[in-house]
Order: sequence, then structure tokens, then C-alpha cells
Amino acid sequence: NAGVTQTPKFRVLKTGQSMTLLCAQDMNHEYMYWYRQDPGMGLRLIHYSVGEGTTAKGEVPDGYNVSRLKKQNFLLGLESAAPSQTSVYFCASSYSLAGGKEVYTQYFGPGTRLTVL
Amino acid sequence: GIQVEQSPPDLILQEGANSTLRCNFSDSVNNLQWFHQNPWGQLINLFYIPSGTKQNGRLSATTVATERYSLLYISSSQTTDSGVYFCAVERSGGGGADGLTFGKGTHLIIQP
Repeated sequence: NAGVTQTPKFRVLKTGQSMTLLCAQDMNHEYMYWYRQDPGMGLRLIHYSVGEGTTAKGEVPDGYNVSRLKKQNFLLGLESAAPSQTSVYFCASSYSLAGGKEVYTQYFGPGTRLTVL
Repeated sequence: GIQVEQSPPDLILQEGANSTLRCNFSDSVNNLQWFHQNPWGQLINLFYIPSGTKQNGRLSATTVATERYSLLYISSSQTTDSGVYFCAVERSGGGGADGLTFGKGTHLIIQP
């Protein structure tokens, strides 16, 4: 299992440009999440999805859009990048049913480092 | 929303020392995880521990859900233990889908 993968690993954008970050998981998890991490801080939730075709806003959703067309993929889009969106973006997935017990451990991808000039 | 406070914010120890990291949270939780973020930025799952005690090698964790705190113990520290340790929680009632709220982390430096 590759677990949670993210592409690209690094990206530099100019203000106003758009881009899409791709997250893929091969653990058959129902839930997927996008977080951002700014220097010296913990992660903050941007958007999340509880299943294919569903999305919901997290703590800091402004300036981002998401889509979950397939269960294993969760896309994060920036329509018009701003310098305030310079950050490291992490994707995560969770939810499993093991022995009749629900387990919500979140597994994280390696992150995408985005710089907006 | 739920508040997560970690202490201490910074910790510098000599190799071989033991340490205790604390996480306080402001509401009932159905998920609590400890992570280690290594110097390359990778987030590594340490424990999924909404309650009780777990051990994995030199690391162990205890969550006292009724008193809303969790402790991470690191024994016989090694330089590879350096990095930032995050506590993250999800409040009860979220059904496992609300996402995690992270503390600001404890920055641990182990000196040889």
C-alpha cells in the first residue's frame, strides 16, 4: 500500500494563477481532508469529504475549492492564488471498521509546499 | 470550537533523558492522536488514543478523557526523536468526520 500520496511535492505560483493539488489514497477510506500548515503552527482544516461526491467546509475554506469525484481521490483547487496561501498543504484520510469497531485514525500524506509570489 | 493546548512549547534534552509532553483539550473527544513531525516535515502517526494507555517501544501515551488531558512519554531519548510533537483531537458528536483540531506543538531537541 502506498497509503496517502500527494502531487505535486513543490510548486511556485504567481499571484492570480490557478492550480489543483491531487490527493490519492489506497486504503478504501471514506473520509478525506485537506489541511494547511503555516510556520510555527499546527495544521488547520480547509475542507473535508465524508464520501464520494460530498464535500464540506472546514476552519479556513476561503479561497479554496474541492472535489471528490472518486472515492480514492480528493482535489484541492486554488482559483486565483494569493501570497497568503503560501503554506504547506497536507491531505489525510480516515475511517475504518475493524472487528466491528469504528476507528478514526487519520493518515497523512507527505505534504505539498506551495509558494505564491 | 474545541481548544487544544500543548506544553511545554519547547524542550531541549540530552540524549538518554526521559520527557513528558502534555495536551489539554476543552471538550469531550472521540479521537485524539499524537503525531511526530520530523525535520523533513513528514507527519508520523504515533498513537490513536481517545482514552486509556498505549505503549510502542520507548513511547507511551495516556489519555484521561474525563479530565480532558493526554500525556506522551518518551524514554531514553535519541537524537532521531527531535522534531515537533502535535496533539490533535476531534470533538465528540462529530461522527469521526469533522477533522482534527491541532495544538501548536512541542518542539523537542535532543542533543547528543
